Amino acid sequence: DTEVTQTPKHLVMGMTNKKSLKCEQHMGHRAMYWYKQKAKKPPELMFVYSYEKLSINESVPSRFSPECPNSSLLNLHLHALQPEDSALYLCASSQDEYYNEQFFGPGTRLTVL
Amino acid sequence: AQSVTQLGSHVSVSEGALVLLRCNYSSSVPPYLFWYVQYPNQGLQLLLKYTSAATLVKGINGFEAEFKKSETSFHLTKPSAHMSDAAEYFCAVKKGAQKLVFGQGTRLTINP
Repeated sequence: DTEVTQTPKHLVMGMTNKKSLKCEQHMGHRAMYWYKQKAKKPPELMFVYSYEKLSINESVPSRFSPECPNSSLLNLHLHALQPEDSALYLCASSQDEYYNEQFFGPGTRLTVL
Repeated sequence: AQSVTQLGSHVSVSEGALVLLRCNYSSSVPPYLFWYVQYPNQGLQLLLKYTSAATLVKGINGFEAEFKKSETSFHLTKPSAHMSDAAEYFCAVKKGAQKLVFGQGTRLTINP
């Protein structure tokens, strides 16, 4: 299994809602990533988890809260988002932080009204 | 800090023509280099990677790239474009535990 899955595929939420994005991989990878991608731009790194511990937080606002319940799962909890947070959210995984090949999921298209 | 420059935000070629997408990196030590492809409303798919084993790297879908240290380049080529190659292409660089750094992307359009 060389796949990273993400749910939901699409999400529409209001600025007062609380929602979560989910990412799963069964490749035995120990590093997992969240990226944000705006239209016509490259992905921007948000968070890195290594061996289930938060390794990198790229100064992301606290309205985004990551969680890594186990080595296969990565969540991104969303609360009080702004319309400018609308974007494609991509999850990725790699063997570890040093192993350089990252596998990406299909993404969640988030729209904040 | 590492950086990647992709020359040309938009490249247009005819079906059957050569595809050449340019990527230059800046790094004091040769890093690992990657080309990813992104089709509309999808995630990124790895096309190929350079990890210092061989300078000419073959990837999926008929793409290949050549690492040239003297030119700090890692250009992506395909001998004959197909309509299905229309997509956004990202060059990326990484060293060790440093984050994956992407270029700005090149949108490839194929004309029938």
